[in-house]
Amino acid sequence: DAGVIQSPRHEVTEMGQEVTLRCKPISGHDYLFWYRQTMMRGLELLIYFNNNVPIDDSGMPEDRFSAKMPNASFSTLKIQPSEPRDSAVYFCASSLLAHEQYFGPGTRLTVT
Amino acid sequence: KQEVTQIPAALSVPEGENLVLNCSFTDSAIYNLQWFRQDPGKGLTSLLLIQSSQREQTSGRLNASLDKSSGRSTLYIAASQPGDSATYLCAVNTGGFKTIFGAGTRLFVKA
Repeated sequence: DAGVIQSPRHEVTEMGQEVTLRCKPISGHDYLFWYRQTMMRGLELLIYFNNNVPIDDSGMPEDRFSAKMPNASFSTLKIQPSEPRDSAVYFCASSLLAHEQYFGPGTRLTVT
Repeated sequence: KQEVTQIPAALSVPEGENLVLNCSFTDSAIYNLQWFRQDPGKGLTSLLLIQSSQREQTSGRLNASLDKSSGRSTLYIAASQPGDSATYLCAVNTGGFKTIFGAGTRLFVKA
């Protein structure tokens, strides 16, 4: 398996623009997680899905953030409008039931 | 609210030394605990997963233990190598698959 795939790997955008991050989980996994990593706050869980349904979005910082999972092989995390404080590395991870979480390579977002 | 703490924050050791990384959590009602490795600018690589009913897991030179009652886990690395240099993260799954990460221990193994 190719592992968790994320795109783009790097994104530089201007404040106020819409940003869409993409994730393809490992085939057969039924849980998908979105995380954000910053120097100040470390790794934070933003939202997770089970069988394409959002289960807990309490980590989503603001209404500017939204996530969807239209099918078992694709998820998006959207920020609209983006702000400089959203600059971080965003990770997607997937797992099967309560087993290990497997992380993607991350998307490094810079908002200027 | 579950909090996860990792000590030390950074560690530098000579090659060949055995070492222990510590992880503590405040709420013992956990589902499982996972240790990860993160190389600079990279994603996380899963090392070991310990279910709440287990006491330890081993993989090669790595051994992770779990003591739920005291809220502690340790990651033991035997015969450390320069290639082990990375940040090691402890993550606690509190049930409902909500995962809380520690801040990590940055390890440097000197050749």
